[in-house]
Amino acid sequence: KQEVTQIPAALSVPEGENLVLNCSFTDSAIYNLQWFRQDPGKGLTSLLLIQSSQREQTSGRLNASLDKSSGRSTLYIAASQPGDSATYLCAVRVGGSQGNLIFGKGTKLSVKP
Amino acid sequence: DAGVIQSPRHEVTEMGQEVTLRCKPISGHNSLFWYRQTMMRGLELLIYFNNNVPIDDSGMPEDRFSAKMPNASFSTLKIQPSEPRDSAVYFCASSPSGTGSYGYTFGSGTRLTVV
Repeated sequence: KQEVTQIPAALSVPEGENLVLNCSFTDSAIYNLQWFRQDPGKGLTSLLLIQSSQREQTSGRLNASLDKSSGRSTLYIAASQPGDSATYLCAVRVGGSQGNLIFGKGTKLSVKP
Repeated sequence: DAGVIQSPRHEVTEMGQEVTLRCKPISGHNSLFWYRQTMMRGLELLIYFNNNVPIDDSGMPEDRFSAKMPNASFSTLKIQPSEPRDSAVYFCASSPSGTGSYGYTFGSGTRLTVV
């Protein structure tokens, strides 16, 4: 059974720091991996999607990497800002192109001015 | 596109009442997913549909929960009778199937409180 773990559960950093969020999954047979952001009381916003054949994806200050064989992904946030404060969720898609997402419990990030 | 639309945004109901949550997926997306989010368990898949057909409902907690997708543009999740432990945020998401860089798009969720 696929399990997704995110470490740390919570992280507090001063503004301007570069930071890394970690995600691990137990079964390397994934279709893709997606990082989401969730603000308090809101829905999920997709940040980056990495196909199983890819190694990384970049969007602005965000960079996500995928090492499928070791069951790991990282989300790198450069020059963090208070507006980056949110919960970041990692999810792997299983069951092929029509399969479902299995989520980690998230990392709650607080960026202090 | 307006994205995935869920209604209502908030629902407060008394134990034992029937609750119906609604979802309109993005036009052209043929996969639809219902998730439940709680502090203790995080996001859990309840059921998902491909081309309006239920594919996996193993996450539906018990017979009190049922979901339908009568057409490509509408789905409902019903709880009857509701219980306090059903209190959670329920999210609907849709996705195009097939190959390519397709991810999920989530709705804003329905916050359900059963008192």
